[in-house]
This record gives sequence, structure tokens and C-alpha cells, in this order.
Amino acid sequence: EDQVTQSPEALRLQEGESSSLNCSYTVSGLRGLFWYRQDPGKGPEFLFTLYSAGEEKEKERLKATLTKKESFLHITAPKPEDSATYLCAVLPPGTGGFKTIFGAGTRLFVKA
Amino acid sequence: DGGITQSPKYLFRKEGQNVTLSCEQNLNHDAMYWYRQDPGQGLRLIYYSQIVNDFQKGDIAEGYSVSREKKESFPLTVTSAQKNPTAFYLCASSILTTYGYTFGSGTRLTVV
Repeated sequence: EDQVTQSPEALRLQEGESSSLNCSYTVSGLRGLFWYRQDPGKGPEFLFTLYSAGEEKEKERLKATLTKKESFLHITAPKPEDSATYLCAVLPPGTGGFKTIFGAGTRLFVKA
Repeated sequence: DGGITQSPKYLFRKEGQNVTLSCEQNLNHDAMYWYRQDPGQGLRLIYYSQIVNDFQKGDIAEGYSVSREKKESFPLTVTSAQKNPTAFYLCASSILTTYGYTFGSGTRLTVV
């Protein structure tokens, strides 16, 4: 069964303390890997799509990377406003392109 | 501005009642989706629709129904057959599945 596992479940950082969130998946031949940010009580906000191993995308203090079995979301010098839940999702092949699998998320807390 | 509007934001249902959650988009996206989010779990797909007058069951469709009479609208009905309906419901749309989704702000449904 295709699975997406995110770790850690929660991460507490001091402002300026860089770190990484992990997303591992068991899907072979994925069609895309997505990162979203979700604030409490709101819908997820799209951040990045990665399509192939070795690909990297950046946005402000966030950088997403992809290997054949996992993706990392690197957060450089985080600020309190980066506090949110970060969701990883994978689009497997052979599902008609509509059954994206989501991980449970990593809750990030950044303290000033 | 284009986006997805979900209403209501909060909804309370009595045992045995059917309730309908609204989802409207003005992004001109063909595909629309309904997800359910529970604490500690990834988003789970309830139904999706690729085009008007067509929709498909997702992984947890039992106790739910949908319609897609207009491109802009994809309402979800939570029926009395859904035994554990208390959850956060998210509607999403996409122009292409490999581009990631745009999500609404969600509806929190509580059974009282």
C-alpha cells in the first residue's frame, strides 16, 4: 500500500534555528510530490511541487528537495510567522491522477 | 481575486440529520475534490469530480454524496448513514492534478 510518512510529528525551534522536515514515501514512479502549509483552522496553502529526484525549489526561507524515497523541507533562519503545520502529499501513478496521498503533517513551532 | 469559498465555516448536526456543505470556485478549474481531516491523520479523499456531471468515489465515500451540476460548484452532503461525521472538511480544486491544489478555508462539522 502506498504510504506517506512525515517526521517529526512536531518540531520546536528558536527563531533563527535552521532545521529540516522529512517526508518519506513508498510510492514507485510518483507523478509529483507536493508541500503545503496549513495554519490552524484554515485550508492548506500550496508551496511547492517536485517532479523528479534531484529537483529543488525555494521560496523565501523554505527550500524543498527530492530523492527517490524522500523529500526534505529545509527551513533557514525561521521566524515565528513560519509556525504552522506542513503537509507533504504524493501523486502516485496509475490512479487517473486524482488520488493524491497526504501525510499527517509536521507541526512547526518557532519561538521568538 | 480567484479562489474557493466554503460555507458555512462551522456547522452543527443533530443525530439522524443530513447536512450539505457548500463549495464554490471561480478559478475555472475542471477538477474538484472533497477531503476530510481528522487530528493526527492525513487528509482523506471523499469524492472527486473531473468534469461537470461526473464524479467518482474516493477512499471514504460511504455516508456521503455529491453533485456537480455546474463547473463552479461541488456541494457535499453528509448523510445520516455517516456514523462519525465530526471532522474538518476541505474542498479543493485543480487545473491539472500535477500542479497541486487550491483549497478552501474549510467547514468544521460537529455532531451534537
